[in-house]
Amino acid sequence: GAVVSQHPSRVICKSGTSVKIECRSLDFQATTMFWYRQFPKKSLMLMATSNEGSKATYEQGVEKDKFLINHASLTLSTLTVTSAHPEDSSFYICFFRGNTEAFFGQGTRLTVV
Amino acid sequence: QKEVEQDPGPLSVPEGAIVSLNCTYSNSAFQYFMWYRQYSRKGPELLMYTYSSGNKEDGRFTAQVDKSSKYISLFIRDSQPSDSATYLCAMSLNNNDMRFGAGTRLTVKP
Repeated sequence: GAVVSQHPSRVICKSGTSVKIECRSLDFQATTMFWYRQFPKKSLMLMATSNEGSKATYEQGVEKDKFLINHASLTLSTLTVTSAHPEDSSFYICFFRGNTEAFFGQGTRLTVV
Repeated sequence: QKEVEQDPGPLSVPEGAIVSLNCTYSNSAFQYFMWYRQYSRKGPELLMYTYSSGNKEDGRFTAQVDKSSKYISLFIRDSQPSDSATYLCAMSLNNNDMRFGAGTRLTVKP
């Protein structure tokens, strides 16, 4: 079946550097893409939503200049964590929704040291 | 009050037990209700999907939605060690933006 491929699955970076996370749907077109963040033992928190042809809409409290989302096409979305700090360490996961299907990516464990 | 409340557990049961997982919510406008299973360090996978109130059964899994009480449940019959995971409830107004519970960590012991 259709899947969403998310890379990297795990990344460790130094404080102050930027990290790009990519999600790609392999055989369906996503009209809406979501990015979530998950803290240990906490629920998934929606960061932003992007619809086809529109810029991402960020949830309250999420810095759009820090978490850059690029909805490049109907099959590709990237999240760039700019100038990462240890408090950005978390599990980031994308969620793609098409007309009849919806899938999560596998998630990215980001550790900022 | 959080929009979605879910007891994070942990919950430990013996193999073969019936597991009951629950969530309550505050927004009566939620129409779509989902249960996801998340294994350690993996993305969530959809288990059950329900629109509005009622029951839905799929194999050993049964999802119940009681909109009058703002309460949803997931039952797992004949639980197996492979069911050990975190179970997240989720709900949305328009089948688009989802709000998640914190997830309940379940361990099924052989």
